[in-house]
Formats: sequence, structure tokens, C-alpha cells
Amino acid sequence: EAQVTQNPRYLITVTGKKLTVTCSQNMNHEYMSWYRQDPGLGLRQIYYSMNVEVTDKGDVPEGYKVSRKEKRNFPLILESPSPNQTSLYFCASSGQGATYEQYFGPGTRLTVT
Amino acid sequence: KNQVEQSPQSLIILEGKNCTLQCNYTVSPFSNLRWYKQDTGRGPVSLTIMTFSENTKSNGRYTATLDADTKQSSLHITASQLSDSASYICVVSAGGNQAGTALIFGKGTTLSVSS
Repeated sequence: EAQVTQNPRYLITVTGKKLTVTCSQNMNHEYMSWYRQDPGLGLRQIYYSMNVEVTDKGDVPEGYKVSRKEKRNFPLILESPSPNQTSLYFCASSGQGATYEQYFGPGTRLTVT
Repeated sequence: KNQVEQSPQSLIILEGKNCTLQCNYTVSPFSNLRWYKQDTGRGPVSLTIMTFSENTKSNGRYTATLDADTKQSSLHITASQLSDSASYICVVSAGGNQAGTALIFGKGTTLSVSS
């Protein structure tokens, strides 16, 4: 089954404790992206990657890191999480080309206390 | 500034009724416009994707229209069902043919279908 998977689905952590949210896709997609979704603000892009070893900042990259060492994986790293990073996070992937459908993962609900 | 505005913010309709959601955008250069359906707590799912040259596209009971001149789009839902209760997000892609760059998201319309 074609899908985007994220782990963990739920995470409660404390300020300053480094964490990684994994994202993996099995559709051989070149493009992958991370978003956060907050009430009243909608989805906002954090980082995206056009291909292996190619990443770029989205609208809200501060406090986040990403890497793209393999085509299928695109982990999101929070080196020192803060309470304002409490949010619902989505990973997405698509093929190249502007009209390729974008597939979203199931989401990771992160709470930073 | 590139923006996507959706209206109404929320909508309640009776099962079986039709409804229309609106999306106005100021995005340049325009590449394509997408409508997504997002169930509570789940990832968005693509409904339609329209390029500049397309003015209507259907996906079952969902029909999207695009007027590139007025920079408006609408999503019409026919014979609504309880399962249509969700948030509907309009997304406009700016720029060229690269996937995903400069995606401008609207804040969504929350639709509630009641029996």
C-alpha cells in the first residue's frame, strides 16, 4: 500500500530534550516536506526536500532541522524543543512536477512542557 | 504578499443538502490550485488539482471551479453526507513546475453535516 508513515504518532516531552520525528514513504517520491498545523493558523511549511541531499527552508524553519540521506526518509529534528513547538506535525511526499498529488502522513501530535 | 483566503470559516448543513466553499487568492505567479479534505486528527487528502487552463474538475460529489481572471475558486459538494464533515483546505502553488515549492495554504473551512 502506498503510504507516508510517521513515528511517533504522539509525543510528550520536556523543554530542551532533543527529539526526532521520523517520516518514511514507499512511493519513490523525490519531493518530501514537513508542516506544522496550529489552530487558527492552518498548515505552515517547515522544510522541504526536492531530492536526496537537497533541502530548503519553508515558512517557519526556526528551531527545526532536517536531513535527506535516503530518498524514502526525511526525519524532522528538534535539537532543543520549546513549548511554542507544541503542534500537530505532518510529513508529505510527492513526485516531481507541479501537478503531482501530495500525500500526507497521519500526523504527529507533539506536546512540549 | 501571496495569500489564500477561504470563506466561510465554518458551515453547518443538513445531510443531503448541497454547499459551496469559496477560495480567493493573491498568488503570483500562479501554477496550480488544490483542494484538500482533512478529517479531524488526520492528514489532508487531495480532492482536486487544477492548472491555469482548467476551469472545472470533479471528484465524485466534489466539483471544483477555477476562475484565473478573478483569482477565485469554489468547491461544490453535492448531496452531502455525514462523512463530508471535515476541514476543506484550498492550496495555491506559486512558481514553476517544481513540486511543492511555494505552496500557499488557506486556513480552511470547517464543514459540519448534521442528520
